[in-house]
Amino acid sequence: DIQMTQSPSSLSASVGDRVTITCRAGQSIANYLNWYQQKPGKAPRLLIYAVSSLETGVPSRFSGSGSGTDFTLTITGLQPEDFATYYCQQGYNTPHTFGQGTKLEIQ
Amino acid sequence: EVQLVESGGGLVQPGGSLRLSCAASGFTFGTYWVGWVRQAPGRGLEWVANINQDGSKKYYVDSVRGRFTISRDNAKNSLYLHMNSLRAEDTAVYLCARDRGYYSPFDLWGQGTLVTVSS
Repeated sequence: DIQMTQSPSSLSASVGDRVTITCRAGQSIANYLNWYQQKPGKAPRLLIYAVSSLETGVPSRFSGSGSGTDFTLTITGLQPEDFATYYCQQGYNTPHTFGQGTKLEIQ
Repeated sequence: EVQLVESGGGLVQPGGSLRLSCAASGFTFGTYWVGWVRQAPGRGLEWVANINQDGSKKYYVDSVRGRFTISRDNAKNSLYLHMNSLRAEDTAVYLCARDRGYYSPFDLWGQGTLVTVSS
């Protein structure tokens, strides 16, 4: 199985900040990398697929980059509704493993 | 409305069985891969299984292979997860999700159904 490791596990930031979350795959996954946002008690929401393609309806302050084994999710200009937990996921090989999550909290 | 709705969760004793269902509506169910993801209380997301459009291809995470079976009925727009030999560590909210295909992002999710394995 491909292990996905996110860093940091938690992050404190303020409204208006720029934050970056990193996801590292245990082997190359080309560009088969997706990002999700999850709020407490809610289902995850797809934000970005194929490393950098923004899902319909997702604000442009979210962006993704990377290739191979190292990927990043960047939020530029944090909004109050962005405080949530973020997960990366690889779609390269089954099982399509998730990272352990990064909890973004208000500073 | 495009949606997925899970049902069938509940309390079950260790070693017991349960069948989860996921009803799809608002889209052509039979043209998508679909799958199950679970989330233990206070924990992260764990990919469990997926199935292709006609049910001929099924994949599982190692921890459930041989105990869980994923299936679908396209005529009923439904996805299922048959769970046997349940363990305490299977306790989680089980979510069904639609797999868009290429790159395998889950672009539509249900709200989940809670499975509790306890004596």
